[in-house]
Amino acid sequence: DIVMTQTPLSLPVTPGEPASISCRSSQSLLDSDDGNTYLDWYLQKPGQSPQLLIYSLSYRASGVPDRFSGSGSGTEFTLKISRVEAEDVGVYYCMQRIAGWTFGQGTKVEIK
Amino acid sequence: QVQLVESGGGVVQPGRSLRLSCVASGFTFSGYSMHWVRQAPGKGLEWVAVISSNGGLQYYADSVKGRFTISRDNSKNTLYLQMNSLRAEDTAVYFCAREMSMVRGYLDYWGHGTLVTVSS
Repeated sequence: DIVMTQTPLSLPVTPGEPASISCRSSQSLLDSDDGNTYLDWYLQKPGQSPQLLIYSLSYRASGVPDRFSGSGSGTEFTLKISRVEAEDVGVYYCMQRIAGWTFGQGTKVEIK
Repeated sequence: QVQLVESGGGVVQPGRSLRLSCVASGFTFSGYSMHWVRQAPGKGLEWVAVISSNGGLQYYADSVKGRFTISRDNSKNTLYLQMNSLRAEDTAVYFCAREMSMVRGYLDYWGHGTLVTVSS
């Protein structure tokens, strides 16, 4: 089974400042046959269900602000927020779907 | 708009059964694979099961294999999760989620969840 490891698990942020979350997979998430990287990012805001932010490594979901971006390759991935806003607080999860479906442990983002 | 509404959660004793439902609206339900994902209190997300659009294929997490059964009724736009031999560690909020229509698609819409508590 593929294991997803996120760092850090807690991230205090300052509004207006950038932030980044890392995610590592135990196996490559690149499918060499189709060239896709099967890595997504979700945000679960307090008291809400998860919402899709980024899919297939770097594609923003509909309605997601362009301050969110996804990057990486193979087994190392990063979610970046260019300028954090108060509404960005919550728990961020990476998820792989190249072999089954597995989530990272989650990174809790809160305002300093 | 796409809506997924779960129901059927509650308090159940260990070893007993419970069936969850997820009613879908706002899209062609029969065209999408559907998932169940759970979240234990204060914990992260755990994928549980998936069913293909026509119901012919199902896959399960090892933690629920042999105890849980995912099914669907496309005529009723409804997804189900039959949970048998429940354990304390099955206590969680259970979310249904739609898989974007593609091979190994991402989960683009989620319900609000229904809480299952397994306790004597």
